[in-house]
Amino acid sequence: DQQVKQNSPSLSVQEGRISILNCDYTNSMFDYFLWYKKYPAEGPTFLISISSIKDKNEDGRFTVFLNKSAKHLSLHIVPSQPGDSAVYFCAAGGSGTYKYIFGTGTRLKVLA
Amino acid sequence: DSGVTQTPKHLITATGQRVTLRCSPRSGDLSVYWYQQSLDQGLQFLIQYYNGEERAKGNILERFSAQQFPDLHSELNLSSLELGDSALYFCASSVGSGGFETQYFGPGTRLLVL
Repeated sequence: DQQVKQNSPSLSVQEGRISILNCDYTNSMFDYFLWYKKYPAEGPTFLISISSIKDKNEDGRFTVFLNKSAKHLSLHIVPSQPGDSAVYFCAAGGSGTYKYIFGTGTRLKVLA
Repeated sequence: DSGVTQTPKHLITATGQRVTLRCSPRSGDLSVYWYQQSLDQGLQFLIQYYNGEERAKGNILERFSAQQFPDLHSELNLSSLELGDSALYFCASSVGSGGFETQYFGPGTRLLVL
């Protein structure tokens, strides 16, 4: 049972435009969410996080939105740059748990 | 560079064999996590150690075991290897015992079982 789903395995976006990566979760006990970026031959790198008490968190070009009622979060990258081309994983965790559940990833390609 | 190191980078072995993957956490981090990423799969949490003690367990097979040593490095032992164990194995570390903490990942060990 996949508790965290990233239904789009890949996404292509033109440089300078907005990239929107989506993530859905099923467990209502999740209250902390993260996005990681992964380049080939490297480990995932933390990008941005959000707790369930917020519905938006922003860090430079990256913004994460959380819709608790829909159990949906999204990562917006504006403007997209070729260096953003990577695989993006969302992850979710709950209070008191010691593990995150990761989605299967979305491969973003930003075209120059 | 996350500060988390993993060795070896690549490992090729045969079915039935046993291998050991090694991880050194970031300086000051007390928790070590192990993840498995198979083809087209997300990161599957295997196990967490905090300051030498097992803290949380995920979908770790009985053929797999791990430990964290007094110097905080960790080893993941995989035995009676099967073809399906071929995957990327990542180690991550965090400062505390878990919860809402950022985990910093190593570059991974790519295991190929032939």
